[in-house]
Amino acid sequence: DVKVTQSSRYLVKRTGEKVFLECVQDMDHENMFWYRQDPGLGLRLIYFSYDVKMKEKGDIPEGYSVSREKKERFSLILESASTNQTSMYLCASSLSGELSSGNTIYFGEGSWLTVV
Amino acid sequence: QKEVEQDPGPLSVPEGAIVSLNCTYSNSAFQYFMWYRQYSRKGPELLMYTYSSGNKEDGRFTAQVDKSSKYISLFIRDSQPSDSATYLCAMSGVTGTASKLTFGTGTRLQVTL
Repeated sequence: DVKVTQSSRYLVKRTGEKVFLECVQDMDHENMFWYRQDPGLGLRLIYFSYDVKMKEKGDIPEGYSVSREKKERFSLILESASTNQTSMYLCASSLSGELSSGNTIYFGEGSWLTVV
Repeated sequence: QKEVEQDPGPLSVPEGAIVSLNCTYSNSAFQYFMWYRQYSRKGPELLMYTYSSGNKEDGRFTAQVDKSSKYISLFIRDSQPSDSATYLCAMSGVTGTASKLTFGTGTRLQVTL
């Protein structure tokens, strides 16, 4: 089974703090993703990475950056947290970029971030 | 108008009922369709994957795609309290690119004893 692990499940941070959300996958997947999930808005893609040190902006990259130094690890960084970044953050991975019956997106359990 | 529309619910059914969950979409290029189940405070887990039109069955779950109507459905037979969760549809276009997956907002299902 694919395992996507988000180390921090619940965080409370102050406005202006730098926040790191870490994600590790154990299936040697090429692609990794960061989404945020908000009521009524669904899942929105922040950034994704298709290879080590490579990254692409998703639909809502503003206020975020990412780092992928190793294939199995993908970090989401909030340079200066703001209250509108309070949300559930989901990390995901896929074997490759092309969907098929043998390649879909697998999600972690989520990180609940509250910015006060 | 959103590309993918999904009734948020909640949908409440008695145990043993047949459940129908649906999504409509506007982008005729969508070819890849998925259903995810998400328990409270957990990440989504893949339930069903279908490509193009037709039906797919897996145990108590059946996924149906009607591209002419731009409508997809997930049927759950003999529903159980453990099926209580939010169900998300997701779809992608011709290239089937994972980074271009568009999600519905989810339907919350409650199966009561």
